[in-house]
Amino acid sequence: DAGVIQSPRHEVTEMGQEVTLRCKPISGHNSLFWYRQTMMRGLELLIYFNNNVPIDDSGMPEDRFSAKMPNASFSTLKIQPSEPRDSAVYFCASSFFAGAEGEQFFGPGTRLTVL
Amino acid sequence: SQKIEQNSEALNIQEGKTATLTCNYTNYSPAYLQWYRQDPGRGPVFLLLIRENEKEKRKERLKVTFDTTLKQSLFHITASQPADSATYLCALDDTGGGNKLTFGTGTQLKVEL
Repeated sequence: DAGVIQSPRHEVTEMGQEVTLRCKPISGHNSLFWYRQTMMRGLELLIYFNNNVPIDDSGMPEDRFSAKMPNASFSTLKIQPSEPRDSAVYFCASSFFAGAEGEQFFGPGTRLTVL
Repeated sequence: SQKIEQNSEALNIQEGKTATLTCNYTNYSPAYLQWYRQDPGRGPVFLLLIRENEKEKRKERLKVTFDTTLKQSLFHITASQPADSATYLCALDDTGGGNKLTFGTGTQLKVEL
């Protein structure tokens, strides 16, 4: 298996622009997580889905952020409009959840820079 | 408030020695705890999981303990090697048995020759 796939790997944009990050989870996994990592705040959970349904979006910083999972093999995280403080590495992770704990498999991340 | 604390200072040890990393938490009642390794420019990689009813778990040179009374987990790497140099993150189950994790800020380990 190719693992969790994220695109793009790097994104540089200007303040006010829309940014869309993409994720393809591991085939057969039914949970998907979006994280943001910065030096100051570490690795923070933004939102997660079980069986394509958003379960907890309490970590989404504000309405500028939105996430979708239209099917089991694809998810997007959108920031509109982007701001310099959104600069971070964004990770997508997937796992197989069957009512108990499970290890999460992380993608390589998208490094976002907002100028 | 809820808090997960790991050694904020980097840990430097000599090759062959045992590295011990600490994860302390407050105001959580996790059903399990996980440890991950992260190399620069990469995503975290799962290492070990320990449940609340387990005191200790081992995997090759790795050992994890979990003390729910002290609210602490210790992560040990025996016979450390330069290739073990990385940042190690602990993560707690945030929902008492579900699949939502909250991560600590991580401890950077450097193993020197």
